[in-house]
Amino acid sequence: EDQVTQSPEALRLQEGESSSLNCSYTVSGLRGLFWYRQDPGKGPEFLFTLYSAGEEKEKERLKATLTKKESFLHITAPKPEDSATYLCAVPLIYGGSQGNLIFGKGTKLSVKP
Amino acid sequence: KAGVTQTPRYLIKTRGQQVTLSCSPISGHRSVSWYQQTPGQGLQFLFEYFSETQRNKGNFPGRFSGRQFSNSRSEMNVSTLELGDSALYLCASSLGVRTEAFFGQGTRLTVV
Repeated sequence: EDQVTQSPEALRLQEGESSSLNCSYTVSGLRGLFWYRQDPGKGPEFLFTLYSAGEEKEKERLKATLTKKESFLHITAPKPEDSATYLCAVPLIYGGSQGNLIFGKGTKLSVKP
Repeated sequence: KAGVTQTPRYLIKTRGQQVTLSCSPISGHRSVSWYQQTPGQGLQFLFEYFSETQRNKGNFPGRFSGRQFSNSRSEMNVSTLELGDSALYLCASSLGVRTEAFFGQGTRLTVV
């Protein structure tokens, strides 16, 4: 069964304290992995797409990496405004579309000043 | 470029009623998907439409249905509402295969 698991469920950091979030997946034939950020009461905001092992993407203080079985979202010197829930997702195999995604339960990040 | 627009933002309905939610995708996007988000289950895929055809459906009862119009706008309908249907309903649009999906702000449905 296709599954996406994120850890930890919650992470509390001090401002400037770097860390990593994990997303592990079990799918037969990866067709991409997506990272989203979600603020309370809002829809997920797209961050990154990764397609092949070894691929890396960066945006401001965030860097996403992908291996054959997991992805990491590294947060360097976080600020309070980085506080949010971070979600990863992979496409369901049938249909081949990026519109039908399996999501992990997310990591709720809190950054204290 | 306008993002994905969902209306209404908030709804309160009574058990047994039905509800229709609307989604306008990003211009040029032909794929529209719907998701249900609850604190316990997280984000779960409901169904996806492409060029007015339902391409995929998640594991939800038949009370949940949807459609897509020729201008790619989509609606989803939930009939005979139950308390457990209270959730944030999210719509996402994408160009299609190997492209990212962009989400709207969601419709918060409360069933009382």
